[in-house]
Amino acid sequence: GAGVSQSPSNKVTEKGKDVELRCDPISGHTALYWYRQSLGQGLEFLIYFQGNSAPDKSGLPSDRFSAERTGGSVSTLTIQRTQQEDSAVYLCASSLAGGTLDQETQYFGPGTRLLVL
Amino acid sequence: AQKVTQAQTEISVVEKEDVTLDCVYETRDTTYYLFWYKQPPSGELVFLIRRNSFDEQNEISGRYSWNFQKSTSSFNFTITASQVVDSAVYFCALSEGNNDMRFGAGTRLTVKP
Repeated sequence: GAGVSQSPSNKVTEKGKDVELRCDPISGHTALYWYRQSLGQGLEFLIYFQGNSAPDKSGLPSDRFSAERTGGSVSTLTIQRTQQEDSAVYLCASSLAGGTLDQETQYFGPGTRLLVL
Repeated sequence: AQKVTQAQTEISVVEKEDVTLDCVYETRDTTYYLFWYKQPPSGELVFLIRRNSFDEQNEISGRYSWNFQKSTSSFNFTITASQVVDSAVYFCALSEGNNDMRFGAGTRLTVKP
């Protein structure tokens, strides 16, 4: 079946501009995660959505970052007034349920490579 | 706080050699989950294995095997008879069952023909 998809695959923007990154999770997956991977680094958790619950925003690095998830499916990560240090690969993952009782396996999309000039 | 350490930044082997990727973790919880992901040059992370803290049985899947030892807080990954297609960055990750899965910095494996 179809995996997690993300768009665009690459985005080049100028410092100060806003960008929107999109994630389409696997159909039926209720949990959705955003991560950031800087060059040569591991993954940094940003935000988590589970069903209709309030998202866990504890990983967002600043108030310039926000995310929405509409209809429990597609998610958009928005970065306002981009800075050069925002340059990274932004990865989206989804899992069947998420939650605390049993950590579900997360399946990742191909990522969006963001370059802020 | 949970933490994952992959001390090996880069490993280079010749095809058919065996290679072990180390992963050491820190957690205060008794219930947690460990993962290995592979990130090939295409960039997409590929799930390899999930193991919960109550299951210390080692696992073998084809040329891949995992050695989970709670006594040393390690979850090492061995590739037997490595192949060029195994070249990738491999990430170990830990979750305490919350939303925040912590990844190690990754080990870049290069398998030369």
